[in-house]
Amino acid sequence: GAVVSQHPSWVICKSGTSVKIECRSLDFQATTMFWYRQFPKQSLMLMATSNEGSKATYEQGVEKDKFLINHASLTLSTLTVTSAHPEDSSFYICSASGGGRGRDQPQHFGDGTRLSIL
Amino acid sequence: SQQGEEDPQALSIQEGENATMNCSYKTSINNLQWYRQNSGRGLVHLILIRSNEREKHSGRLRVTLDTSKKSSSLLITASRAADTASYFCATAPPASGSRLTFGEGTQLTVNP
Repeated sequence: GAVVSQHPSWVICKSGTSVKIECRSLDFQATTMFWYRQFPKQSLMLMATSNEGSKATYEQGVEKDKFLINHASLTLSTLTVTSAHPEDSSFYICSASGGGRGRDQPQHFGDGTRLSIL
Repeated sequence: SQQGEEDPQALSIQEGENATMNCSYKTSINNLQWYRQNSGRGLVHLILIRSNEREKHSGRLRVTLDTSKKSSSLLITASRAADTASYFCATAPPASGSRLTFGEGTQLTVNP
């Protein structure tokens, strides 16, 4: 159980293009979803937290207008990288929490999206 | 900012040996979690230990937590080549909801 699907897994596009990444919880309702960015051989950097039906909470230094997050349902959150540039190239990973009992819940991760901007 | 620090940063062992990774953190926590990441993939949850627990086992994994020292360790016994991956600790401070802060990770290589 607790499967998170992230799509696409790999994107190559030209500078100036907007790219949308989807994150779906397949077998549980995700009350909260998280978006991370990861550079090679580094840890995960939290970009934003999104709750269904409300605006996302962005971490300090993350541009809201650059990284648009929509969490329209309990099973789907999307991250749109607007007008992407080469410096936006990175590995983006989503995770979801929910569907379990008790206060302490692990996060369930998608397989990530490798974004390359030419 | 990442509050977790892990050591070692990289660990190379032979198949069959045990691997120990350590994690230190700075603030109070509700729980501490360990995750595994294979190269180019997402993270897989391994084990969660609550702040009032001292040790937890899951198969070949053993996790300890010392809240007085703000540290945790992950022991993998009888390692296999398939255990090769990056391992991250993540802490959940009180009132953070399910938001986690990840450590820098340990790259484990198990040689056949």
